[in-house]
Amino acid sequence: NAGVTQTPKFQVLKTGQSMTLQCAQDMNHNSMYWYRQDPGMGLRLIYYSASEGTTDKGEVPNGYNVSRLNKREFSLRLESAAPSQTSVYFCASSEAIGLGGVKTQYFGPGTRLLVL
Amino acid sequence: AQSVSQHNHHVILSEAASLELGCNYSYGGTVNLFWYVQYPGQHLQLLLKYFSGDPLVKGIKGFEAEFIKSKFSFNLRKPSVQWSDTAEYFCAVTHNAGNMLTFGGGTRLMVKP
Repeated sequence: NAGVTQTPKFQVLKTGQSMTLQCAQDMNHNSMYWYRQDPGMGLRLIYYSASEGTTDKGEVPNGYNVSRLNKREFSLRLESAAPSQTSVYFCASSEAIGLGGVKTQYFGPGTRLLVL
Repeated sequence: AQSVSQHNHHVILSEAASLELGCNYSYGGTVNLFWYVQYPGQHLQLLLKYFSGDPLVKGIKGFEAEFIKSKFSFNLRKPSVQWSDTAEYFCAVTHNAGNMLTFGGGTRLMVKP
């Protein structure tokens, strides 16, 4: 099993350009997440999808959109990139969340994004 | 909103030294606690977790953490570090069944051979 995979690994964008970060998991997990990691701030949740067909905002959703394409895939889109979105983006997945307790999240390798 | 504090941003140790990394959280109710590790160039990996039961939790690679509810702390320890423990360590907390993780700012550990 590959676990959680992300593409691309690196990307450079100019301000105003758009792009989509891809994430896929092969663990049959229901829930998926997008985080951004900035120095000294840990990881902050952008959006999450508790199950196929649902998405919800996290702590820092502004400037992003997401699509839960199917159970395996959860993409993050930047419609008009800004320098403040320069960061490392991590996708994660877990078993179904909701009633019944906390589930461990498993992370992908990350995408380094630089917006000039 | 809950918050997580890791007071040590950078730690430098020699091999065989003992390690303790601090983690404090702000939420007063029932919490679930995690330590993740990120080796250079790699993704986050789960080191250990506490959901309930024995407050002393043992994880992989000889790490352990102790949940002290009265101090709102979940400090990570290892009796004798190795060069291969050089990494960034993140404490994370969730307090609800929605599984929303709140991360601390991370501690960069460098172990000198």
